[in-house]
Amino acid sequence: QVQLVESGGGVVQPGRSLRLSCVASGFTLSSFAMHWVRQAPGKGLEWVALISYDGSNKIYADSVKGRFTFSRDNSKNTLYLQMNSLRAEDTAVYYCARPRYASGLGYWGQGTLVTVSS
Amino acid sequence: AIQMTQSPSSLSASVGDRVTITCRASHDIRDDLGWYQQKPGKAPKLLIYAASKLESGVPSRFSGSGSGTDFTLTISSLQPEDFAVYYCLQDYNYPWTFGQGTKVEIK
Repeated sequence: QVQLVESGGGVVQPGRSLRLSCVASGFTLSSFAMHWVRQAPGKGLEWVALISYDGSNKIYADSVKGRFTFSRDNSKNTLYLQMNSLRAEDTAVYYCARPRYASGLGYWGQGTLVTVSS
Repeated sequence: AIQMTQSPSSLSASVGDRVTITCRASHDIRDDLGWYQQKPGKAPKLLIYAASKLESGVPSRFSGSGSGTDFTLTISSLQPEDFAVYYCLQDYNYPWTFGQGTKVEIK
C-alpha cells in the first residue's frame, strides 16, 4: 500500500536551515508529481510546493519562494524539502502528499513538526 | 492567487443531521476542487475530488456538487465519526489554495 513517511523536523533557531525528507513506498515515485503542505499549530492547511515527476519543474507558495527548495531522488524513493532562512511563521507540521491520479491529494504522510524558535 | 472562501467556519450539529459546507472561489476553477476531512492529530483525508467524485472507500453519505465558483459538500446524515474539520482545496492552478476550514462539532 502507498506509504509516505516524513522525517527531519525539530526545533531550529530563526535564520537557520533544516532539511525534511519524505520516503515513499508502495508505488513508483518517478511516476508522480509530489507536494508539500503545511499546517501551523491550531491553523488551517497551506499548500507549500510542487515538484514534477522528474524534478524538472518546481512551484512554490509565495510565502516560501526563494527560501525553500524541493528536490527528489527517485532512485532512493525520497523527496527533500530544504528550508533556509527559517522564520517563526514557518513553524508547522509539514506533510508530503501524492495526488491520487488526475485530481486531489489522495495520499498523505503522517507529518513532521518544525518549530522555529530562539 | 485564487482565494477560496469557505463557510461556515464552524457549525454544531446532531447525529443524523444533514450538513452543508460551501466554498466559493474568487475565479472560475471549473470542477478542480477537492474536499478533505481532518481529525485532530491526523493528516487530511480526501473525501471528494473533481468537485463531485467520491473517493474510494468514502461513505456515500458524503457528496459534493458545484462547478465554476460555487461548491458544496453535503453530509446527508451526520455520524459520530464525522465530527472533524473539513477543507476545500482548489487544484485548478498554482498556487493551490485551501479554504479556511469548517469545524463540525457535536450539538
